[in-house]
Amino acid sequence: DVKVTQSSRYLVKRTGEKVFLECVQDMDHENMFWYRQDPGLGLRLIYFSYDVKMKEKGDIPEGYSVSREKKERFSLILESASTNQTSMYLCASRAGTASYEQYFGPGTRLTVT
Amino acid sequence: GENVEQHPSTLSVQEGDSAVIKCTYSDSASNYFPWYKQELGKGPQLIIDIRSNVGEKKDQRIAVTLNKTAKHFSLHITETQPEDSAVYFCAANPPGTYKYIFGTGTRLKVLA
Repeated sequence: DVKVTQSSRYLVKRTGEKVFLECVQDMDHENMFWYRQDPGLGLRLIYFSYDVKMKEKGDIPEGYSVSREKKERFSLILESASTNQTSMYLCASRAGTASYEQYFGPGTRLTVT
Repeated sequence: GENVEQHPSTLSVQEGDSAVIKCTYSDSASNYFPWYKQELGKGPQLIIDIRSNVGEKKDQRIAVTLNKTAKHFSLHITETQPEDSAVYFCAANPPGTYKYIFGTGTRLKVLA
């Protein structure tokens, strides 16, 4: 079974802090994704990575950056956290262009105060 | 770009009844349509999917239908059970991209 893990289930940070969210997948998947989930808005793509050190902006990249130094790990970085970044963050992975399915981690609920 | 609309936002059914959730998409070239179930405190899990060259797909009590002409697809759950209670998301995969465009979700409650 594909396993996608996220470093924290719950996180509370203060405004202006630098925040790192980590995601690890154990299936040698090429593609990895970061989504943000808000009530009434569904899941919105922040960034994705189609290979190591490769990244592309999604639909809402402002205020975020990402890092993928190793194939199994994809990090989301909030350079200076703000209260409007309080949300559920979901990581997903996909095998590659030959496969459509995305597999999600359990999510990190981030609260910025 | 692609846009996906999902209805209804909430749905309550009696145990044993059927539930139907509908999604429409805007990009006629989208070619893959997954459905995800998200239980409380968990990440979304893929429950069924359909590709654009197929009109219907069934897996036990769950089925998905696709009408390419009308650009809509639906999730059908028969003989609902309390454990079907969850939030369901549809999505569309525009061609030539890695990403999904998700609907806004449907909260399904199955009343015992």
